[in-house]
Amino acid sequence: KNQVEQSPQSLIILEGKNCTLQCNYTVSPFSNLRWYKQDTGRGPVSLTIMTFSENTKSNGRYTATLDADTKQSSLHITASQLSDSASYICVAVDRGSTLGRLYFGRGTQLTVWP
Amino acid sequence: EADIYQTPRYLVIGTGKKITLECSQTMGHDKMYWYQQDPGMELHLIHYSYGVNSTEKGDLSSESTVSRIRTEHFPLTLESARPSHTSQYLCASSETGKDTRGADTQYFGPGTRLTVL
Repeated sequence: KNQVEQSPQSLIILEGKNCTLQCNYTVSPFSNLRWYKQDTGRGPVSLTIMTFSENTKSNGRYTATLDADTKQSSLHITASQLSDSASYICVAVDRGSTLGRLYFGRGTQLTVWP
Repeated sequence: EADIYQTPRYLVIGTGKKITLECSQTMGHDKMYWYQQDPGMELHLIHYSYGVNSTEKGDLSSESTVSRIRTEHFPLTLESARPSHTSQYLCASSETGKDTRGADTQYFGPGTRLTVL
């Protein structure tokens, strides 16, 4: 069964600090991995997309890494801001269907305190 | 910011009522999707459409139905709402072939939070 597991479930950090969120997936055949940011009461917004041949991808203060051999990904947030408070969702995409099915993790709820 | 809209944003209704959740996008995307998300849980695909007059059921069984008469609209209907339908419903769209990395990037609407009493 295709699954995406994220840790930690929730995280509280102080403004300005760095943090790293983890994602393990078992989706196969694997196409690419995406990180989404979902603000409370809003829809998810794409942060990064990585294929199996890419090891790292940055988007401003967000840096995602991917190890396709161990099926692990991480999202590193640098110099956190209050606006980073949100749920961060890891999404693995399979290439075994024409739809390119997305498998969602439950997200890590990040809270940044002043 | 994606040009995909959902109405209403919040809806509280009584059991047995018929409801329609609206979703529209102005990006000309051919594919559209409906997801259901409970608090702290992952998104589950309940319906999708490849284009006009195409609708398919997703991974999660749902008593809702959808239609795709026009490219830009993908409404979801519940004929008789029940408390078990209480959830957040997210609509998304994507354009075939635009993303060469495999699976087109989906753009999400803000969601409709449905509460059935």
